[in-house]
Amino acid sequence: KNQVEQSPQSLIILEGKNCTLQCNYTVSPFSNLRWYKQDTGRGPVSLTIMTFSENTKSNGRYTATLDADTKQSSLHITASQLSDSASYICVVNPGDSNYQLIWGAGTKLIIKP
Amino acid sequence: DGGITQSPKYLFRKEGQNVTLSCEQNLNHDAMYWYRQDPGQGLRLIYYSQIVNDFQKGDIAEGYSVSREKKESFPLTVTSAQKNPTAFYLCASSIGDSLLYEQYFGPGTRLTVT
Repeated sequence: KNQVEQSPQSLIILEGKNCTLQCNYTVSPFSNLRWYKQDTGRGPVSLTIMTFSENTKSNGRYTATLDADTKQSSLHITASQLSDSASYICVVNPGDSNYQLIWGAGTKLIIKP
Repeated sequence: DGGITQSPKYLFRKEGQNVTLSCEQNLNHDAMYWYRQDPGQGLRLIYYSQIVNDFQKGDIAEGYSVSREKKESFPLTVTSAQKNPTAFYLCASSIGDSLLYEQYFGPGTRLTVT
């Protein structure tokens, strides 16, 4: 069964600190992997999209990594800011099913001053 | 929110009533989608439409209906047949196939049915 598992479920860190969120997937075949940021009560916003041939992709203070062999991805946030408080969702595209992306449940990140 | 509007932001209904959620986009995107989000779960696809006057069921279409009469509009009706309608509903759009192109989301509608 195609699944996307994210860890931890929630995380609290102090402003200015770094953190890493994990995503493990069992989706096969695999086309690309996306990370979204979702503020509370808002729609998700795309951070990165990586194909199976890309190992790292950055978007400002956000850096996503992908290991297609182990089916793992991580999202590293550097020098966290209060505005980083949100849920971060990992989404995998199986590439063989029209319009059916596989969504993780997300990691809820709280940045404390 | 990328040129996608959803209204209203909050919606309250009594059990047994049908309710329609609005979704409009001005991005000139061909494809539009409806998702449902429940606490602790990933987004689940309700319906999607690749082109005007055409739409397909997603994983959880039972109890929902949609129409796509105009390119920019994709309303979702939550019918009384939906057993657990209270949820956060998200509309999205993309230039084409979501597997190839990025999806842009609206701000969502939180529906509460009592």
